[in-house]
Amino acid sequence: GAVVSQHPSWVICKSGTSVKIECRSLDFQATTMFWYRQFPKQSLMLMATSNEGSKATYEQGVEKDKFLINHASLTLSTLTVTSAHPEDSSFYICSASLPSGSAYEQYFGPGTRLTVT
Amino acid sequence: GNSVTQMEGPVTLSEEAFLTINCTYTATGYPSLFWYVQYPGEGLQLLLKATKADDKGSNKGFEATYRKETTSFHLEKGSVQVSDSAVYFCALSPARAGAQKLVFGQGTRLTINP
Repeated sequence: GAVVSQHPSWVICKSGTSVKIECRSLDFQATTMFWYRQFPKQSLMLMATSNEGSKATYEQGVEKDKFLINHASLTLSTLTVTSAHPEDSSFYICSASLPSGSAYEQYFGPGTRLTVT
Repeated sequence: GNSVTQMEGPVTLSEEAFLTINCTYTATGYPSLFWYVQYPGEGLQLLLKATKADDKGSNKGFEATYRKETTSFHLEKGSVQVSDSAVYFCALSPARAGAQKLVFGQGTRLTINP
């Protein structure tokens, strides 16, 4: 159980275009999902917290108008990279949060590799 | 603030060697502690966790004990295999009620040679 999927697994787009990445919790409902960005050989950088039915909370330094997050249902959150540039090329990973005892566990998707040419 | 520090990699070992990856944390109260593993080209998988002091998390031969006195959560395995080659992340979730964010360490790349 607790499976999270992402689509697409990889995408190549041209500079100036927009690309949407989907994150789905397949067998559970998640009121909270997270979006991370990972550069090669580096740790995960939290970009934003996505809450179902409300606006996402962005981390400091993350442009909310560039990285649009929509969490329209309890099983789906989307990240849209608008007007993509080569520096947006990265590995984007989502996670969904589930309560576990007194704490929460995050279940991660397999990631989406974005290459902007 | 909350932070996690892991031993710097990369770490290269021979098959069947003993593994230790150090992890220390800074946080108030009693955070939950996690080890995640990332295989090449994939997302993160939860390896093990501990939610209170002296708890031992274990999975697939890996173990880590929540040490409050030393604020540590070192990952150990008695005999590593080539298939254990991956990047390992230590993480914490703050102690406050409802906290869901994870704070990650920088990751340690492990390579096991046959």
